[in-house]
Amino acid sequence: QSALTQPASVSGSPGQSITISCTGTSRDIGAYTYVSWYQHHPGKVPKLIIYEVSNRPSGVSNRFSGSKSGNTASLTISGLQADDEADYYCTSYVSSSIVIFGGGTKLTVL
Amino acid sequence: QVQLQESGPGLVRPSETLSLTCSVSGDSVSSSDYYWTWIRQPPGKGLECIGYIYYSGITNYHPSLKSRVTISLDTSKNQFSLNLRSVTAADTAVYYCARVLLQYQIDYWGQGTLVSVSS
Repeated sequence: QSALTQPASVSGSPGQSITISCTGTSRDIGAYTYVSWYQHHPGKVPKLIIYEVSNRPSGVSNRFSGSKSGNTASLTISGLQADDEADYYCTSYVSSSIVIFGGGTKLTVL
Repeated sequence: QVQLQESGPGLVRPSETLSLTCSVSGDSVSSSDYYWTWIRQPPGKGLECIGYIYYSGITNYHPSLKSRVTISLDTSKNQFSLNLRSVTAADTAVYYCARVLLQYQIDYWGQGTLVSVSS
């Protein structure tokens, strides 16, 4: 399976909102609600921030939200903060197979 | 608190087998509530799921690695392991072990271990 497609980088100023897209196919994102998003600060362990398209784990800020339309999932971060600067990865389940990752998006807070 | 810890050699020679073990505490690899997975990140690149194993022993592997990889469980030691055969420099990466919920979200990760493939 090919990796899901994410923009290589996005940027925004503190307080602004940004959206990161994650495009797959009808065999992965389009077929299932098993889409997750992870925040990864370099040198640290990735952190789950969204699961099953739009659910937030306990303790994750409500500034993070997820959605899906067709074969594309999206992560929106509102009220950008300096600590949001990190790499963000989407994942999706693929039938009778494994989880596939997106290529990752580097978020820069200007 | 669930904790996972990878262990194994940090340097493997080309054509040999990369072997890593993940020790799990605070949970049981025999639980039917989770999958257990290996994920890697080559330098400067993104994350890639190598494969996962269920308590029953059922495994699924990334198609591009399927011919070279084996993931196994050792319930007596509460561990699971990765064997990747015939490695090349392209297999140099930080390797993570992790716990996967049945909705395919990864909730706990090991700290990761860098494995370099070099002669």
